[in-house]
Amino acid sequence: DAKTTQPPSMDCAEGRAANLPCNHSTISGNEYVYWYRQIHSQGPQYIIHGLKNNETNEMASLIITEDRKSSTLILPHATLRDTAVYYCIVRGDTDKLIFGTGTRLQVFP
Amino acid sequence: EAGVAQSPRYKIIEKRQSVAFWCNPISGHATLYWYQQILGQGPKLLIQFQNNGVVDDSQLPKDRFSAERLKGVDSTLKIQPAKLEDSAVYLCASSLAYDSNQPQHFGDGTRLSIL
Repeated sequence: DAKTTQPPSMDCAEGRAANLPCNHSTISGNEYVYWYRQIHSQGPQYIIHGLKNNETNEMASLIITEDRKSSTLILPHATLRDTAVYYCIVRGDTDKLIFGTGTRLQVFP
Repeated sequence: EAGVAQSPRYKIIEKRQSVAFWCNPISGHATLYWYQQILGQGPKLLIQFQNNGVVDDSQLPKDRFSAERLKGVDSTLKIQPAKLEDSAVYLCASSLAYDSNQPQHFGDGTRLSIL
């Protein structure tokens, strides 16, 4: 079973920041938090991952709480093309990605 | 950098027929994964290869599904005979190395419909 909990859906206005939350209260010390997204009819796309520290790349920022029990993916300026299902995944030493049902983000004009 | 290539994109067969899917991972990626994604659900891992050896096939229905990666590069996934519940998207992913915390990169999948 997936070790994460995400809201089933969220809306965001185009140009605004999209903040997607994820709870992973049972995460272990050596487990990473990964984020992927899946646009309709495409395969999942890797976004970002982190262990303890906040991470930023050209796509997004990942904020992990100090106790590591939750995290937030931030898309700083959402566009219509960011409409997708976003998956938060805890990846352990088995190398598996165990997907839940994710958050369906709808960006509106 | 070329991504993970999969073919065909779509396949329609009748139940009890056989079908095969092909995957070409990103060049240099040692680890290859096959996932099954049923409509409305997240992908579920079926099998994982490190080079040409199987690392994990615990979720593969071995009575009907088989997979191989003979030369440690391309891989094929076969279903024989197909059942109605096999209707799904079959995704292939690859990563640089096993247990390296390198991200997995996915192809766009093969959508299988069973009539």
